[in-house]
Parts: sequence; structure tokens; C-alpha cells
Amino acid sequence: GAVVSQHPSRVICKSGTSVKIECRSLDFQATTMFWYRQFPKQSLMLMATSNEGSKATYEQGVEKDKFLINHASLTLSTLTVTSAHPEDSSFYICSARVPKYRGGYNEQFFGPGTRLTVL
Amino acid sequence: GEDVEQSLFLSVREGDSSVINCTYTDSSSTYLYWYKQEPGAGLQLLTYIFSNMDMKQDQRLTVLLNKKDKHLSLRIADTQTGDSAIYFCAASTGGGNKLTFGTGTQLKVEL
Repeated sequence: GAVVSQHPSRVICKSGTSVKIECRSLDFQATTMFWYRQFPKQSLMLMATSNEGSKATYEQGVEKDKFLINHASLTLSTLTVTSAHPEDSSFYICSARVPKYRGGYNEQFFGPGTRLTVL
Repeated sequence: GEDVEQSLFLSVREGDSSVINCTYTDSSSTYLYWYKQEPGAGLQLLTYIFSNMDMKQDQRLTVLLNKKDKHLSLRIADTQTGDSAIYFCAASTGGGNKLTFGTGTQLKVEL
């Protein structure tokens, strides 16, 4: 399958700071990437859809000024949590859609996730 | 919008078969997926099925789809301790890219 990486895997920061999380598709070009948030023992909540070269599409209730998404290249999307607060502590997971030229059928391959803890 | 439901917990003995069930509400869901998540890790795509299929088998995994009842199941044959994880089903209408995930089923395999 396709490989998606995330960096960092774990980050601890002070309240008020900004944190950037990177999502990379390692062996394919991903025109579309997705950012999810997962609370302990809960399902994944889609935050936004990131399209290369255009603005991200945010789900209802997700603050776009709080969670900045940039998809500047076909292999990299970044999520920046601005002015982080303890309630932003969560597991953030990205995914990338495998394009049709790679035999994709709309499935998404996921990164390993980033555990954010805001003190 | 789409609502996907799963039972929360399943416990089986090693060597037995496991069956994890999932129901969805949107009859226009075209693609249905099963993902596995181990503690502290991302999601691993196990298998998927198109809505025009009734069954798909891939080694120890068998997916059954009842489109009329909007019911999906994942059967794991000869369940091993390494299969202990949370299993998510997900549905997509295919026209867009969104996946709607179920609540996840925690599978515990006992010796």
C-alpha cells in the first residue's frame, strides 16, 4: 500500500504557542489530503480536506483560523494549531487519497498520527 | 448526513473466528472500508468493498455486505493475539472524498 508519514509523532507545548504538524505521502503524489482529530477511545472526526494549490475545505464547527492548513506541494500538507490551549490536546491523524493512476479507488491511507499535549 | 454504527467491544478466544458488525444509514454509500488501529498508531487499511459486491475475501478476512439492510461485517478467521486492536468501518459515497467512520470496535483476543 501507499505510505504516509507524519512528523512529529509526539509534541508537548505550552499554552499559547503554535505547533506545526507535517503530513507527507512518501511514494505517491497526493492531490488531496485529509486531517482528522481523534479523542481517546473515540472515532475519527474529519477536520478538513486539503487540496494541493487551493484553500482547504473545513468541516462545520472547525475554526479555520485556529487550524491552519497548507498543501503547498503534491507530497506535503501541514496543519498548524495556532495559539494552542489544553483543549486542543488530541491525536491528530492525516490521510492521503491514492490517485487513480496508482490504482486508487477512493480509499485513504493514513499517517501514524501525532499526539499533541498542550500544558 | 451519514451515520455509521458499530458495537463497542468483542472478545474471542485465539483460534476462533471474529465477526465485527457495522451499519450505515446512507444508501448511496458506494465504498465501504475496514481499518485497523493499534494503540497509539494510525489506521491501517485492511480491505474494502464496493456496493455492487456482496462478499469479498482476502486471506483470513471476509467482508459481507447486505446493501438492502445497509449492514457490513468483517470476519477474521483463526483470530490471533496480534489481531487485538480497534476496528473501524467507514463509508463513502464516492462522489466526494469524505469518509464517515464508525465508532470503532475493540477486539480482544484471549488465549
